[in-house]
Amino acid sequence: AQKITQTQPGMFVQEKEAVTLDCTYDTSDPSYGLFWYKQPSSGEMIFLIYQGSYDQQNATEGRYSLNFQKARKSANLVISASQLGDSAMYFCALRYSGGGADGLTFGKGTHLIIQP
Amino acid sequence: DGGITQSPKYLFRKEGQNVTLSCEQNLNHDAMYWYRQDPGQGLRLIYYSQIVNDFQKGDIAEGYSVSREKKESFPLTVTSAQKNPTAFYLCASSDRHYTGELFFGEGSRLTVL
Repeated sequence: AQKITQTQPGMFVQEKEAVTLDCTYDTSDPSYGLFWYKQPSSGEMIFLIYQGSYDQQNATEGRYSLNFQKARKSANLVISASQLGDSAMYFCALRYSGGGADGLTFGKGTHLIIQP
Repeated sequence: DGGITQSPKYLFRKEGQNVTLSCEQNLNHDAMYWYRQDPGQGLRLIYYSQIVNDFQKGDIAEGYSVSREKKESFPLTVTSAQKNPTAFYLCASSDRHYTGELFFGEGSRLTVL
């Protein structure tokens, strides 16, 4: 069975500091993908970043980077220079079948609050 | 603009009533999904459909039903058999031939009175 674990229910961070949100996963499928989504209080899910299991480099998208440690089954999200607008729920998700047709398995999320 | 439209945004229902949530997409995606979100639980998969006229149960399908008569539409019915239907419901679609990224609608919040 596939599983995603996010061990930080909530985090408080000072504005402009870097943030690391933890995510570990478990799957026996050699081909998989890892995603991070942001959910503001309005409820919509915003895609942030993607890492494929065979990608050699860690994924980066602007201020977001994914620290992918395959042997440890870890896919932490790093947000550099945090901003007040980064306050939201953050979800890590795992795609475990080829092509993604079966959907994603989500962790329980981390509630990030950026303080001025 | 391409995207996913869910309606209604807010819905109130009395116990014992069925209710249908609408989900329409114009992204030309084959696959569509329904997720349920409860506080502290993350998102859980209810049903998904990879192609028109075909759909599969997800992890928590009991008390729900779906149809996929058109590529663009994937409505979810919350039946009276669903014991705890109050939740936030999210519809999504994906291009199954790429990374599998899900594109989400804005969600529907159902409250049972």
